[in-house]
Amino acid sequence: NAGVTQTPKFRILKIGQSMTLQCTQDMNHNYMYWYRQDPGMGLKLIYYSVGAGITDKGEVPNGYNVSRSTTEDFPLRLELAAPSQTSVYFCASSYRGRNSPLHFGNGTRLTVT
Amino acid sequence: GQQVMQIPQYQHVQEGEDFTTYCNSSTTLSNIQWYKQRPGGHPVFLIQLVKSGEVKKQKRLTFQFGEAKKNSSLHITATQTTDVGTYFCAGPTGNQFYFGTGTSLTVIP
Repeated sequence: NAGVTQTPKFRILKIGQSMTLQCTQDMNHNYMYWYRQDPGMGLKLIYYSVGAGITDKGEVPNGYNVSRSTTEDFPLRLELAAPSQTSVYFCASSYRGRNSPLHFGNGTRLTVT
Repeated sequence: GQQVMQIPQYQHVQEGEDFTTYCNSSTTLSNIQWYKQRPGGHPVFLIQLVKSGEVKKQKRLTFQFGEAKKNSSLHITATQTTDVGTYFCAGPTGNQFYFGTGTSLTVIP
């Protein structure tokens, strides 16, 4: 099993550009999450999903959008990239939400210049 | 909203010394999880505590959940260089997980 797979690993964007961070999991987990981690800081929840077709905002959703059309995939969309979105983005999944561990992908390191 | 704070933010220890990080929540938690993130890596699940006053051990690591279920601690006995990394606690609110600010551990050989 691959677990949680994120692509790309690295990306440099210019201000105003758009991109989609891909996340897919093969563990049949219903719950999926997107976090961002700024240097030397903790993880902030951007969006999460409790199942296909259901998404909800986390702590820092502004500037991002998500969709969950299948159980496996949970892409994160940046529409108008800003320098404040320079960060490392982690996708995670869990089997039973609050009562089970989060499985993280390897992360996407995004720089907006 | 819920806040989860950890102290200290950084800790440097000599190899063989003990290490403790503390996690405090502004609200009562149904459970608390601990994660370790190696430099340049992603967070990896260590353990989950559910019961008030619960204590769990994993080799040299001891995890405690407070009686009021608002605080937790992780204690490492006789640190090794392999313990280097950032340790996070995480508590759920609804279906969201709020992560603590993390404690970065440096072990000096």
